[in-house]
Amino acid sequence: GAGVSQSPSNKVTEKGKDVELRCDPISGHTALYWYRQSLGQGLEFLIYFQGNSAPDKSGLPSDRFSAERTGGSVSTLTIQRTQQEDSAVYLCASSARTGKNSPLHFGNGTRLTVT
Amino acid sequence: QKEVEQNSGPLSVPEGAIASLNCTYSDRGSQSFFWYRQYSGKSPELIMSIYSNGDKEDGRFTAQLNKASQYVSLLIRDSQPSDSATYLCAVTTPGGSYIPTFGRGTSLIVHP
Repeated sequence: GAGVSQSPSNKVTEKGKDVELRCDPISGHTALYWYRQSLGQGLEFLIYFQGNSAPDKSGLPSDRFSAERTGGSVSTLTIQRTQQEDSAVYLCASSARTGKNSPLHFGNGTRLTVT
Repeated sequence: QKEVEQNSGPLSVPEGAIASLNCTYSDRGSQSFFWYRQYSGKSPELIMSIYSNGDKEDGRFTAQLNKASQYVSLLIRDSQPSDSATYLCAVTTPGGSYIPTFGRGTSLIVHP
């Protein structure tokens, strides 16, 4: 079946502009995660959605970052007034269930470059 | 602050050898442990999960968990050049809503 789909695959933007990144999880997956990965770094947790519950936003680095998930499916990560330090690969993942034994299925990521 | 530590490497092994990758974690309450493989320019993919102390084998891969010492390892037997990738360790804890915390990964190079 279809995996996690992210768009765009690459985004180049000027400092100060807003960007929107999209994630379409695997059908039926209730949990959705956003991570970012800077060059040579591990995965940094950003935000987590589970069903209709309030999202866990504890990883968002600043109030310039926000995300929503409409209808329990597609999610959009928005970065306002982008800065050069926002340059990274933004990875979305979904899982079929929550709890301790839930592996993540990742999309191919969006590579964001802020010039 | 939950921490997951991995040696960044690179770990270089000859083809056919056993590659041993290690990961330590700080939260003693951690319950689930995952190994993901990430090829250069690609997204991570799950290769192993382990939840109980001891060994878990899947083909050429063996995950080992020691909760008392707070470490988890991944052994790759008969290493192949196609195993060359970065291996990410991920840990979940009940206090963190089971959101996986990832290490920075260990780069493995298998040379012919």
